[in-house]
Amino acid sequence: QVQLQESGPGLVKPSETLSLTCTVSGYSISSGYYWGWIRQPPGKDLEWIGSIYHSGSTCYNPSLKSRVTISVDTSKNQFSLRLSSVTAADTAVYYCARGTMFRGVLIRADFWGQGTLVTVSS
Amino acid sequence: QSALTQPASVSGSPGQSITISCTGTSSDVGTYNYVSWYQQHPGKAPKLMICDVSNRPSGVSSRFSGSKSGNTASLTISGLQAEDEADYYCSSYASSFTLFGGGTKLTVL
Repeated sequence: QVQLQESGPGLVKPSETLSLTCTVSGYSISSGYYWGWIRQPPGKDLEWIGSIYHSGSTCYNPSLKSRVTISVDTSKNQFSLRLSSVTAADTAVYYCARGTMFRGVLIRADFWGQGTLVTVSS
Repeated sequence: QSALTQPASVSGSPGQSITISCTGTSSDVGTYNYVSWYQQHPGKAPKLMICDVSNRPSGVSSRFSGSKSGNTASLTISGLQAEDEADYYCSSYASSFTLFGGGTKLTVL
C-alpha cells in the first residue's frame, strides 16, 4: 500500500520560507506518477500547490508559482516543498499526494498523506 | 465562496441513498470529464472515491457512483452505512487550475 508522510516545522515566521518533506513508502517515486502538494487553509477550500515527476519536471499553480519550489530525491524516495515569503494567508494544513496530471494540472490524487498544520506567525 | 459549489451538509439513514452535488461552470465541470470525489474522515488523509466523473478506483465500494449533467457533477452513495459519515470534496480540471469544492459533511442518522 502506498503511504505518504509529511514532515517539517509546524510554525514559520512571516517573510520566511516554509519547508516540508514528504516521505513515500510502498511505492518507488521513480516508477511513475506525479508527486505534489495540496493545502487547505482553515475554513477554506483545498488548493493544489504544485507537482513534480521523478525526472524533476515540475508543474505549479500559477497563483503560487513565483514563491514555490518542489524538488525530488529519488534516492530517499522523498520530495519536498519550499514556499518563500510566507504570510498569515499561508497558514494551512499541507498535504502531500500522488497524482495524475493533464496538461500540467493535477486531475486526481489517489494517495494522500495525513496532512500537517503549518502556522505562519511571529 | 468556493470555486465549485457543494451543499454544506447532507444526511440520510442507514440503507438509504444520498446524492451530493458539485456545481461548476462551462469552463470546468461542464467541459471536462476530469471530476474527482474525495472522502475524508476527521484527522485522516483524503481518499479518492471517484475519478474521471464516474470511475471507481480499485478497492472503492460499488455503493459509490458518480455522474455529470451539464455543469453539475454528482456523487451518489447507496445503501448508506455508518462508516460513510465523513466530509466529501469534489474537484475539477479547469485549464490552468485544479478547482475544489468547499466540502459536504455527510451525517448518517
